[in-house]
Amino acid sequence: NAGVTQTPKFQVLKTGQSMTLQCAQDMNHEYMSWYRQDPGMGLRLIHYSVGAGITDQGEVPNGYNVSRSTTEDFPLRLLSAAPSQTSVYFCASSYEGPFYNEQFFGPGTRLTVL
Amino acid sequence: SQQGEEDPQALSIQEGENATMNCSYKTSINNLQWYRQNSGRGLVHLILIRSNEREKHSGRLRVTLDTSKKSSSLLITASRAADTAPYFCATAPDNTDKLIFGTGTRLQVFP
Repeated sequence: NAGVTQTPKFQVLKTGQSMTLQCAQDMNHEYMSWYRQDPGMGLRLIHYSVGAGITDQGEVPNGYNVSRSTTEDFPLRLLSAAPSQTSVYFCASSYEGPFYNEQFFGPGTRLTVL
Repeated sequence: SQQGEEDPQALSIQEGENATMNCSYKTSINNLQWYRQNSGRGLVHLILIRSNEREKHSGRLRVTLDTSKKSSSLLITASRAADTAPYFCATAPDNTDKLIFGTGTRLQVFP
């Protein structure tokens, strides 16, 4: 199993550009989530999904959109990038969600917005 | 705001010593989880302790949970240089599907 994969590993955007960060898992996990990590800080939850077709907001959802059309994929969209979105983004998944299970994390995407 | 606050923010010890990190949180929880952040590989799960458990062990790791004080501690015994990493606690609050992370403790183990 590849586990949780994220693409790209690095990305530089200009203010106002849009892009999609990809996340995929091959473990048949129902629960997937996106976090951002800023320097010297912990992870903050952006959006999460408890299954295909279901998404919900986390702690810092503004400026980000998600959708979950399949169990395997959970893309994160930045519609109009801002310098405040410069961060490292992590995707995670688990079988039933943090209420029951530990999370498996991807290696992260380092995003810089100029 | 983040659910957990960790103490200390940074910890430096010699190989062979024990490392203790503490985590405090704000609301009632279903469980508390500890993670280590490996360079270039995201976070790796260490231990999950449920709200009805008081102590849990895994190898050189010992986690305690005191729900009355809303706090947890992670003890790494006989530390090694390879244990050097940031460590995070994360809580699964009751009645939510969220996992909320603390600010982390940066552990440095000197050979």
